[in-house]
Amino acid sequence: GAVVSQHPSRVICKSGTSVKIECRSLDFQATTMFWYRQFPKQSLMLMATSNEGSKATYEQGVEKDKFLINHASLTLSTLTVTSAHPEDSSFYICSAPRTGLAKNIQYFGAGTRLSVL
Amino acid sequence: DQQVKQNSPSLSVQEGRISILNCDYTNSMFDYFLWYKKYPAEGPTFLISISSIKDKNEDGRFTVFLNKSAKHLSLHIVPSQPGDSAVYFCAASKYNAGNNRKLIWGLGTSLAVNP
Repeated sequence: GAVVSQHPSRVICKSGTSVKIECRSLDFQATTMFWYRQFPKQSLMLMATSNEGSKATYEQGVEKDKFLINHASLTLSTLTVTSAHPEDSSFYICSAPRTGLAKNIQYFGAGTRLSVL
Repeated sequence: DQQVKQNSPSLSVQEGRISILNCDYTNSMFDYFLWYKKYPAEGPTFLISISSIKDKNEDGRFTVFLNKSAKHLSLHIVPSQPGDSAVYFCAASKYNAGNNRKLIWGLGTSLAVNP
């Protein structure tokens, strides 16, 4: 079964609105979660690393004020796309490394398809 | 700068035959490599991995080979089944500043296994 839950799976919104995406680790704690973005026919691009209890670490070129990340607990990270525009339309995926097992393996959510009209 | 390269965007194989997916990398600091499988509109699913101290790891029908000197790894699927049809991503991992690990991804290879 899924070890990382991501919600919602699909969002359609109007330009200028904000969208929140949730990522939950199921039955394990994740002090770190990762947020990715995938454009059609392109690879997964890491946007930011979400850290429980501290600020997120953003990759170069990713706007911090545009993509707000909150790691509210050891099992929940949220990504808020603020004032969304059509160019933000993409597939957003979160992942969490499950330590204690093969520690280098990240488990992914099912992804969120964001369409901004 | 694509540090992880999957030069074949697609591959078609007959059911029962071997599928070989290739991946090249440029950064010698990578010390762990993973293969993920992805269906449309879903997140990637972990398939198999290999540490840089090994040259082979096998799990059922899936075997990953690592050639460090050539900075090349490959995923072998044998026998291939129609349910293996998906996009396969190669990812490489290294420690980052702050003792975090991040994955660097290839562009993926779309595998089609024909009945």
